[in-house]
Formats: sequence, C-alpha cells, structure tokens
Amino acid sequence: QVQLQQWGAGLLKPSETLSLTCAVYGDTFSGHYWSWIRQPPGEGLEWIGEINQSGFTNYNPSLKSRVTISLDTFKDQFSLRLSSVTAADTAVYFCARGTHYTGYEYWGQGTLVTVSS
Amino acid sequence: QSVLTQPPSASGSPGQSVTISCTGTSSDVGGYNYVSWYQQHPGKAPKLVIYEVSKRPSGVPDRFSGSKSGNTASLTVSGLQAEDEADYYCSSYAGSINFVAFGGGTKLTVL
Repeated sequence: QVQLQQWGAGLLKPSETLSLTCAVYGDTFSGHYWSWIRQPPGEGLEWIGEINQSGFTNYNPSLKSRVTISLDTFKDQFSLRLSSVTAADTAVYFCARGTHYTGYEYWGQGTLVTVSS
Repeated sequence: QSVLTQPPSASGSPGQSVTISCTGTSSDVGGYNYVSWYQQHPGKAPKLVIYEVSKRPSGVPDRFSGSKSGNTASLTVSGLQAEDEADYYCSSYAGSINFVAFGGGTKLTVL
C-alpha cells in the first residue's frame, strides 16, 4: 500500500521561502515520477513540477524561477521549495506520485500554506 | 484562469448518465493522448479515475469512462450514485512547453 505523508510550515510572511517535504511509504523511487500540485482556496488545481528517480526535473514555466524540487533517496523523501512567496501562493499543496502519462495515482493529504503579513 | 475549459457545473439523477467536457487546443488535449480525470470530495485529495484518455486505474468502477474527440476530452459517469457527487478535474500534457495543464473543475451534483 503506497502512502505519501507530507509536512511543512503552514504560515509564511511575504518574501519568505515555502518548504514542504513528502515521505513515501510502501514504494521506491525507482521507475516513478514524484510531483507537487497546489490548489488555492476554492479554486482549481495547478501543476507545480516533478522529479524522477534520476533527479531530472520539470517545472511549471510560470513558477520555474522560484521552484526547486529535490529527492532524498536515502530517506525516501522528496521536497518542494518555493522562494519569494506572496499572497498569491496561498494554497493547499499536495505531493503525488505520477506524471502526465500515468496520471497522479497516489496523493499526500495536503498542506495548507497561508502567506500573510 | 485555467488552461483547459470545463463547465462549472453538471447534474443528474441517480441511475442516469452525465458527461463532463474538457476543451483545450491542439497543443494539449488535441495533440496528446495524455488526458487524466480526477474526482475530489470536499477537504480531500483528488482521486485519479481516468488516465491516458480512457484507461481506468485498478479499483475505479467501470461506470467511469473517458473519451476524446479533437481538442475536447470527456468523462462520462454512468449509473450515477450519491457518492459520485464531487468536483471533477481534467488534466492534459502540453508537450511543447513540457507542462501539465488542469481544467477549472466541474461540480457534479446528484439530484
């Protein structure tokens, strides 16, 4: 049974860096892509980016200058960093296993990140 | 503003069928067979119900089916049940910019 458990700071001030981590249980990184997706309150889903087992990354062009997704294969974890946050980055952030051709089959529980001064 | 266009709402009575559309362009929906659909209940993570246009993950009832024609993909839910009431999102690969686009979501109400 694949499970994703995520955590990170839920309240940030403008200009700070968002940092979230997702732990993978019941699976290995091999052969899969690992992704981050966010959802502003009351709005739709937005793809942030992905990383594969080799550390190859793809990012949403609108966020690319501020996003870093990384992998820690020893801890079975992957992470998201988003710099220089503003109120527009307020959202529930989800980690997920998958990519565009597999769909996102397994999801973390979601973390609400609020950016407010 | 979402890249893919979905109707904001859809509805049907128990036992009926409902189809939700997802319209993009030749750069995304029309150009690749990488359309997925997700069901999301309030306060929950999305659940994958269709991938690669028409494939169902293990455990998803065959009441859920997907198709595509040109730049528009569709999700059909047959034999509507109360638990099908949820928000549904489509997504598609947009290969020219190596990007995954999502629709704005459709709220499905079971009357």
